[in-house]
Amino acid sequence: QKEVEQNSGPLSVPEGAIASLNCTYSDRVSQSFFWYRQYSGKSPELIMSIYSNGDKEDGRFTAQLNKASQYVSLLIRDSQPSDSATYLCAVIRTSGTYKYIFGTGTRLKVLA
Amino acid sequence: NAGVMQNPRHLVRRRGQEARLRCSPMKGHSHVYWYRQLPEEGLKFMVYLQKENIIDESGMPKERFSAEFPKEGPSILRIQQVVRGDSAAYFCASSPGTGDVKLFFGSGTQLSVL
Repeated sequence: QKEVEQNSGPLSVPEGAIASLNCTYSDRVSQSFFWYRQYSGKSPELIMSIYSNGDKEDGRFTAQLNKASQYVSLLIRDSQPSDSATYLCAVIRTSGTYKYIFGTGTRLKVLA
Repeated sequence: NAGVMQNPRHLVRRRGQEARLRCSPMKGHSHVYWYRQLPEEGLKFMVYLQKENIIDESGMPKERFSAEFPKEGPSILRIQQVVRGDSAAYFCASSPGTGDVKLFFGSGTQLSVL
């Protein structure tokens, strides 16, 4: 079982729709969770962080965390073609060695 | 307020040569991470360093690869006797360490082995 799992996609949504990206993790002691966006040929860019159960909203982005189910998701409202990218989920255990583990990413395509 | 600086952006080496990749973390950051990424694949953890210490190198190949983060100067990822399979994008990232755990990435070095 991979430590962090994501559906590779591509996930295609029409412009203006809600894009829902999902991530599961295997290590129950993971404590901090992040979503990164990576455009083709570019480096990952941090877009959301979440540390406690529930929802966290930032503009068009909402991160959702359910530690009991070991599940974290990212919702993008009013999706735009410029949101087309690969979205990487990352988890870290904030004790011990602080090693960040990334999923393989979900490719999102927003269709104009 | 410079971000994470990596150089070179592109590095071409012939098989058997050495590759040295450099990374200067963001100001105030004492933790450095190196990741490798192949096309259409995710980020593979290689090594995690603090100043003068390797904290976790569980993702580093046992042969030919080494990393350091000296007291002064940038972190260096060194690949000796490169092979074609080493061709990849190598990303460096830094974080402040304890407290704020957000990780920020440099622009990466694209290594091409001929």
